[in-house]
Amino acid sequence: ETGVTQTPRHLVMGMTNKKSLKCEQHLGHNAMYWYKQSAKKPLELMFVYNFKEQTENNSVPSRFSPECPNSSHLFLHLHTLQPEDSALYLCASSQDGSSLGAGELFFGEGSRLTVL
Amino acid sequence: QQQVKQSPQSLIVQKGGIPIINCAYENTAFDYFPWYQQFPGKGPALLIAIRPDVSEKKEGRFTISFNKSAKQFSLHIMDSQPGDSATYFCAGGNQGGKLIFGQGTELSVKP
Repeated sequence: ETGVTQTPRHLVMGMTNKKSLKCEQHLGHNAMYWYKQSAKKPLELMFVYNFKEQTENNSVPSRFSPECPNSSHLFLHLHTLQPEDSALYLCASSQDGSSLGAGELFFGEGSRLTVL
Repeated sequence: QQQVKQSPQSLIVQKGGIPIINCAYENTAFDYFPWYQQFPGKGPALLIAIRPDVSEKKEGRFTISFNKSAKQFSLHIMDSQPGDSATYFCAGGNQGGKLIFGQGTELSVKP
């Protein structure tokens, strides 16, 4: 496999459920990102990991919990979500999160989340 | 100060037309301005990017025009094709920082 792979592609969960989104990159990059994409809104950066260390938490509610066990894998653990959290969650990677201007973000195809 | 404002929200052109998408930014520390293209069901992919030391960059049918004094930049698509129908996002960023995205423009190119 190549690029950035996200699973599952679609997820429906109740407000009391606990689920996780998974992202894997096969590009040898050192930085990984979670973005939230809602209709008619800008892409919202949620978290940044650079060399497995979290370097950015963009005031994300604690019901979203990221985990980065190594530079190739990124998880987003979800619990007690709200219906307004329904969105497309995009994972991305870049060569190095500290020199964004030198490189581009490579996005996965996203996980479409629906919270009932 | 972190916002990137993008317009229009949607755009319909005929095949062969030249759609233009505009973006304005506030943060003068931005030194990297990419455009991303997103097809339905796919993640965004980098289309073209510019740095503020040049006023224009062209790659194939896609051109970025950059006006540093006005803090504005735009994407022009020459000889647009139905296959260019997608959502386009502009963004601004700098070293050590995150990309701040515009809200996107949904482009439809009619045959």
